[in-house]
Amino acid sequence: NAGVTQTPKFQVLKTGQSMTLQCAQDMNHNSMYWYRQDPGMGLRLIYYSASEGTTDKGEVPNGYNVSRLNKREFSLRLESAAPSQTSVYFCASVAWTGSNSPLHFGNGTRLTVT
Amino acid sequence: GDSVTQMEGPVTLSEEAFLTINCTYTATGYPSLFWYVQYPGEGLQLLLKATKADDKGSNKGFEATYRKETTSFHLEKGSVQVSDSAVYFCALRDTSGTYKYIFGTGTRLKVLA
Repeated sequence: NAGVTQTPKFQVLKTGQSMTLQCAQDMNHNSMYWYRQDPGMGLRLIYYSASEGTTDKGEVPNGYNVSRLNKREFSLRLESAAPSQTSVYFCASVAWTGSNSPLHFGNGTRLTVT
Repeated sequence: GDSVTQMEGPVTLSEEAFLTINCTYTATGYPSLFWYVQYPGEGLQLLLKATKADDKGSNKGFEATYRKETTSFHLEKGSVQVSDSAVYFCALRDTSGTYKYIFGTGTRLKVLA
C-alpha cells in the first residue's frame, strides 16, 4: 500500500518563484491536511480539507493556496516563494474528521527558498 | 484553544536505559491523544494512541497512559535500543469542533550503544 504520496521530495526555489506541492492518498480518506515542520516549532497546520470540495485555513495559511482536486488529491501552491517558506512540508490524511483515528503522513517535501 | 506541551530535548540515553518523555495538554473536552515517531528523512508514524481517560496505549515496548486528572500522556519505555533514536511527537485531536490535530514541538531521542 502506498498510503500518502508526496512529490517532489526535494525542491529549491528562488525568491518569487511559484510551485505546487502534490499529495495523493489511496486509502479512500475523506480528510486531508498540509503541515509545515520547522526546527523548534513542531508541526504547524497550513490548510486542511475536511471533505472533497471544502478547504479551511489552519494556523499559518498566509502565502499558500490549496486545491482539493478530488477525493484522492490535495495540492499546496506557493504563488511567490519567500525564504520564510523554507521548511519541510507534510501532507496527511484521515478517514474523516469526526473520527478518533490518527493521521497518516507522507514522507515530506523539503523546500529551500533562496 | 487546545494545546500540547512536551519536554524539550535532546534526550541522550545509554542502551537499555529507561525512557520517559513528558507530555501535557490543554483541552476543554476529552481529546484523543497520540504519540508519533519520526525517523530521519521520513514522515511521522503513529506509535500509539489513547481515546479516553485511563486508556493505556502501547506498541513496540512503548507505553503511555491517558491521565485526565493531570492532563498528561507521558511516553515510557523500559529498555531503549539504538534503533529507538528518533524524534517523538505528542499530539491531540482538537475538541473544539474544528477537527484539527495539534502537535507538540517534538523531542529528539539519541540512544548510545
